Amino acid sequence: QSALTQPASVSGSPGQSITISCTGTTRDVGGYNYVSWYQRHPGKAPRLIIYDVTNRPSGVSSRFSGSKSGNTASLTISGLQAEDEADYYCSSFTSITTLVFGGGTKVTVL
Amino acid sequence: QVQLQESGPGLVKPSETLSLTCTVSGGSISSSIYYWGWIRQPPGKGLEWIGSLSYSGNTYYNPSLKSRVTISRDTSRNQFSLRLISVTAADTAIYYCARGPQDSPYNWFGPWGQGTLVTVSS
Repeated sequence: QSALTQPASVSGSPGQSITISCTGTTRDVGGYNYVSWYQRHPGKAPRLIIYDVTNRPSGVSSRFSGSKSGNTASLTISGLQAEDEADYYCSSFTSITTLVFGGGTKVTVL
Repeated sequence: QVQLQESGPGLVKPSETLSLTCTVSGGSISSSIYYWGWIRQPPGKGLEWIGSLSYSGNTYYNPSLKSRVTISRDTSRNQFSLRLISVTAADTAIYYCARGPQDSPYNWFGPWGQGTLVTVSS
């Protein structure tokens, strides 16, 4: 069982917006602004898409945005596209194990 | 552009030692002020941070693996390595190496290597 809780799957139609949640505790997500999000296509290396809760690395589409409220962080994908179909993982600094990940969310574009 | 590539045996026997190497190109692991890390994903499970190495050679480990893990570096070859002793079937996973940020060993990672599957079985 992963330290951060993500929904197993989220789906949406092209052009829609979807949101993936990442729930932790005050010892990780809620206590620090060090939440990151990764996208992984099958057989490919994970790709950093959000860091420090809201920041996008250079080259990442503005359709990806991050936020946090309390112990839950969220990744929103706007204007969903077929290429967004992938697995998404969150991670957070934690005062206990130091860095933890979520179990991953499979995004399906209908 | 920094690129990372994992290499090592794909099959390790129970109780033996898992050894992997990450070769970095496009950037120096000792002169560029970044952290470098290992992350794994067991089949059907989430990602797990194993540990990180600073540009100066300091190491940081997941407490749950600390007693069995060593991360080291070979600056002459621009490589860093993972050594995990006394492996069991629970250590079967895809192992990734990745570059971390400049300010913390416990934050984001990017870019990542492609990953290498290591199976622990007799």
